[in-house]
Amino acid sequence: SQKIEQNSEALNIQEGKTATLTCNYTNYSPAYLQWYRQDPGRGPVFLLLIRENEKEKRKERLKVTFDTTLKQSLFHITASQPADSATYLCALEPGGYNKLIFGAGTRLAVHP
Amino acid sequence: DADVTQTPRNRITKTGKRIMLECSQTKGHDRMYWYRQDPGLGLRLIYYSFDVKDINKGEISDGYSVSRQAQAKFSLSLESAIPNQTALYFCATSDPLLSNTQYFGPGTRLTVL
Repeated sequence: SQKIEQNSEALNIQEGKTATLTCNYTNYSPAYLQWYRQDPGRGPVFLLLIRENEKEKRKERLKVTFDTTLKQSLFHITASQPADSATYLCALEPGGYNKLIFGAGTRLAVHP
Repeated sequence: DADVTQTPRNRITKTGKRIMLECSQTKGHDRMYWYRQDPGLGLRLIYYSFDVKDINKGEISDGYSVSRQAQAKFSLSLESAIPNQTALYFCATSDPLLSNTQYFGPGTRLTVL
């Protein structure tokens, strides 16, 4: 079956360290993959999009990689801050369907 | 002002009642979506609409219906609410020219007793 997997366990890290979140998928060949941030009780907010022909994308302290052979995307937050604490969702579009499929998200907690 | 708004933000209702959740957007997008979110299950698509005359079922449409009253308005109805429809509901819009990046509303927390 087709699915997207994100680590369901919360990731706890110390402030200043790099947080790395993983998104794995099976049986898809997406043209691109997106990452969103969701704070408790709020709607997800778009962060980054990476295309299949891009190995890496950066935005300020955020970096996303996309390995279509491994069917995996990694999301990095460098110099993490307590304000980065949230749930991070990955999403992809199964080819030709014009809608996104979301992973369940990974909760990140950055401790001072 | 928020680009995507939802009303109500919270609603408690009883089994069997009809409920309508409303969504409005000022982004000018043709595409609109309704999702529900449950702990551990992530966002699941209920219905989506690519323009006023286009309505499509998503992954979990049973027990729900929608109405696209205008480009800016997309309503979700629960004809006869049941307890397992207790969830957080999100409306979203997207622009296909931006790879369907989704813009979400603040959500409606629905509790069915």
